[in-house]
Amino acid sequence: DAGVIQSPRHEVTEMGQEVTLRCKPISGHDYLFWYRQTMMRGLELLIYFNNNVPIDDSGMPEDRFSAKMPNASFSTLKIQPSEPRDSAVYFCASSLALAGTRYEQFFGPGTRLTVL
Amino acid sequence: RKEVEQDPGPFNVPEGATVAFNCTYSNSASQSFFWYRQDCRKEPKLLMSVYSSGNEDGRFTAQLNRASQYISLLIRDSKLSDSATYLCVVKGWGKFQFGAGTQVVVTP
Repeated sequence: DAGVIQSPRHEVTEMGQEVTLRCKPISGHDYLFWYRQTMMRGLELLIYFNNNVPIDDSGMPEDRFSAKMPNASFSTLKIQPSEPRDSAVYFCASSLALAGTRYEQFFGPGTRLTVL
Repeated sequence: RKEVEQDPGPFNVPEGATVAFNCTYSNSASQSFFWYRQDCRKEPKLLMSVYSSGNEDGRFTAQLNRASQYISLLIRDSKLSDSATYLCVVKGWGKFQFGAGTQVVVTP
């Protein structure tokens, strides 16, 4: 089982550039989550999808951030334009369900983003 | 006030000792509770769910106190491999809130 796949693993870019992070969830998982982790703020939920539909995007910091899930096996998180304060580790996670014994969220290895 | 709060630590624990720490939450309507473990520069992984009656998984014991709105994690007979950051997760009405984590360092 490949687990959740994220790319790239590391991204260094300059302020003002567009950044696209990619995620492939575990096959058969109906829920996909995007998180951001920093030392200052910890792990923050940005947005999550159910069956490719965005359910809650209240954690998306501002209009510079957008996320899409065009099909069950692929999602993107885009930052345009990027700013130094966006530097963080971005995790994608997927799960079978939101509750019960199938709740467990499986995280990808993360994308470490540095905006100069 | 943060919705989920944890003592950041670090908790320095001699190998073989017991360590326990709590996580407080502010939303009394929270429905589900979990402990995740995160190793340095790695992704979080589910350690265990927390049930109302308390539950054990080997050397790990989780408790829930709804009246005081906190969950706890106790690690017995600590191993060097238990060194990690432990994140509590509180779920309510579809929202997941992660604590900032408690760092545990087990020393030889």
